[in-house]
Amino acid sequence: DAGITQSPRYKITETGRQVTLMCHQTWSHSYMFWYRQDLGHGLRLIYYSAAADITDKGEVPDGYVVSRSKTENFPLTLESATRSQTSVYFCASRVDRNNSPLHFGNGTRLTVT
Amino acid sequence: AQTVTQSQPEMSVQEAETVTLSCTYDTSESDYYLFWYKQPPSRQMILVIRQEAYKQQNATENRFSVNFQKAAKSFSLKISDSQLGDAAMYFCAYRRVDDKIIFGKGTRLHILP
Repeated sequence: DAGITQSPRYKITETGRQVTLMCHQTWSHSYMFWYRQDLGHGLRLIYYSAAADITDKGEVPDGYVVSRSKTENFPLTLESATRSQTSVYFCASRVDRNNSPLHFGNGTRLTVT
Repeated sequence: AQTVTQSQPEMSVQEAETVTLSCTYDTSESDYYLFWYKQPPSRQMILVIRQEAYKQQNATENRFSVNFQKAAKSFSLKISDSQLGDAAMYFCAYRRVDDKIIFGKGTRLHILP
């Protein structure tokens, strides 16, 4: 089915472990984004990408790494997970048109113990 | 830096009544885009309405409309004839010229039967 898919839906990991959250979109949208959602903070931008091999930091990039070797994939890696990274993570994409909205995946709930 | 402020963490409205959610933003840009997103308990993020800053006319989508006051940097969402299915978290979002999209902290809307 066309759309934007995040995996896994839920993940529990331990402090210090590396974990990668996957995001795949079938629309060939140019732009892709990673947000984290925390109570009292709304959605905060971690990283975004304007095209393959082009990425840029958002509001809260520390502790995260992204890559975009293919247009359709935009994985987010926590190199050494910390408890403060416990959150719900959303991937989103949009077409390269001025008023185009974001299309979101269903989110990944990550718990770091 | 651009910021988005939603001053009402929670609101309640009687079913069939009208409610207005407030959003203000801070920017020095003259051309930008504004959005309202809805997040029901399913966690899915759904676009409600969008507004281009260069358009004077307020956007409308069925029961949802905005009051866009560019000089005041205000972008409120009005929901008419509130329905139980409108109960959700509502996020205001601002798209910057560098394509980063910044969200407010959200307003949780309760619909009272």
